[in-house]
Amino acid sequence: ETGVTQSPTHLIKTRGQQVTLRCSSQSGHNTVSWYQQALGQGPQFIFQYYREEENGRGNFPPRFSGLQFPNYSSELNVNALELDDSALYLCASRRGMGPDSYNEQFFGPGTRLTVL
Amino acid sequence: AQRVTQPEKLLSVFKGAPVELKCNYSYSGSPELFWYVQYSRQRLQLLLRHISRESIKGFTADLNKGETSFHLKKPFAQEEDSAMYYCALSVSGTASKLTFGTGTRLQVTL
Repeated sequence: ETGVTQSPTHLIKTRGQQVTLRCSSQSGHNTVSWYQQALGQGPQFIFQYYREEENGRGNFPPRFSGLQFPNYSSELNVNALELDDSALYLCASRRGMGPDSYNEQFFGPGTRLTVL
Repeated sequence: AQRVTQPEKLLSVFKGAPVELKCNYSYSGSPELFWYVQYSRQRLQLLLRHISRESIKGFTADLNKGETSFHLKKPFAQEEDSAMYYCALSVSGTASKLTFGTGTRLQVTL
């Protein structure tokens, strides 16, 4: 069974640019969540996708957007990058959704984004 | 809004000593509480959750609703327990939308 993978591992952008981060969910998982982890902080929930639709969003502006594809892989897009967007971006996948279908979510290794 | 507080950034203990990593939360409803661990050069992984009431790698955590706490405990620390520990809360019931604390680094020394 292949775990959650993310690409790229690292990237550097400048203020105002746009970036796309990618996540391949674990086999059989249809729910993907994205988190932002700033240095010295815990992960902060950005949003979740279930069956290609956004299902729940944290306190992030609209310039953070995402997609989920039919194979359940996902993208996180950030427009108009700001210095504070520098962080580790984590993707996590799980099977199912709903209060009666708890399944452990599995995290990827993350993408380190630096905005200069 | 819900909040998770881990008051200690670093906890240093000797091998064989008891460990208690503190976690307090604020949420008016019935939360689900989790402990996640990140070992050096590894990804974040679930350690335990309060609903399962399990002991994983000798660690236990009891949800105390009166004190709004979910402290992680282990009677005898091992070197391999050295890692970053995050307490997390879910209010949606799906366990995907987690609110994390800032984490505590546990350092077990000989």
